Amino acid sequence: DGGITQSPKYLFRKEGQNVTLSCEQNLNHDAMYWYRQDPGQGLRLIYYSQIVNDFQKGDIAEGYSVSREKKESFPLTVTSAQKNPTAFYLCASSMTGRAYEQYFGPGTRLTVT
Amino acid sequence: QKEVEQNSGPLSVPEGAIASLNCTYSDRVSQSFFWYRQYSGKSPELIMSIYSNGDKEDGRFTAQLNKASQYVSLLIRDSQPSDSATYLCAVNMRDNAGNMLTFGGGTRLMVKP
Repeated sequence: DGGITQSPKYLFRKEGQNVTLSCEQNLNHDAMYWYRQDPGQGLRLIYYSQIVNDFQKGDIAEGYSVSREKKESFPLTVTSAQKNPTAFYLCASSMTGRAYEQYFGPGTRLTVT
Repeated sequence: QKEVEQNSGPLSVPEGAIASLNCTYSDRVSQSFFWYRQYSGKSPELIMSIYSNGDKEDGRFTAQLNKASQYVSLLIRDSQPSDSATYLCAVNMRDNAGNMLTFGGGTRLMVKP
């Protein structure tokens, strides 16, 4: 059963703590993406990766970090430097150069208090 | 100025009516345009794509593209309560080389029985 998994679905953290969101795909896609969505807003790109061991900043990378050690995995760390981390985080993947055919994971809702 | 703009809504239509959702974009050289549907608390799903001027029909959905005026629209005929969702417009812009999508803020559609 192919797809993208994100865990956990809901995550709660105290302010000042780093937190890592998981994203795994078994679609054999080279490209992976992280988006942030705030209530009533569209998707804003945080980071994307087109190949293992390489990634690029999106529009709102400050306060976030990623790694891409395996093709299947693209974890996102929300650091304490992110001023407003509470949001819905979506991971997606696609074949390289085919960003229009992105498959999205179910998302992680992060709440920081 | 936002690169991809949508009216946030909510757009309220009665069941059976035609819902018209609009999107404007800033990059005149953009080539690929997409509509995603997102139910509350869920991840977006691709419902329509359009690449050339004119209309593209798929079931009850019609996407319309006018590159000269830089707008793309989505028509939903015979609207159903199950169509109630947020509709995101996405554009593959010139400088993205197929590697990224730029999303609008979304229009929330409410179809009333």
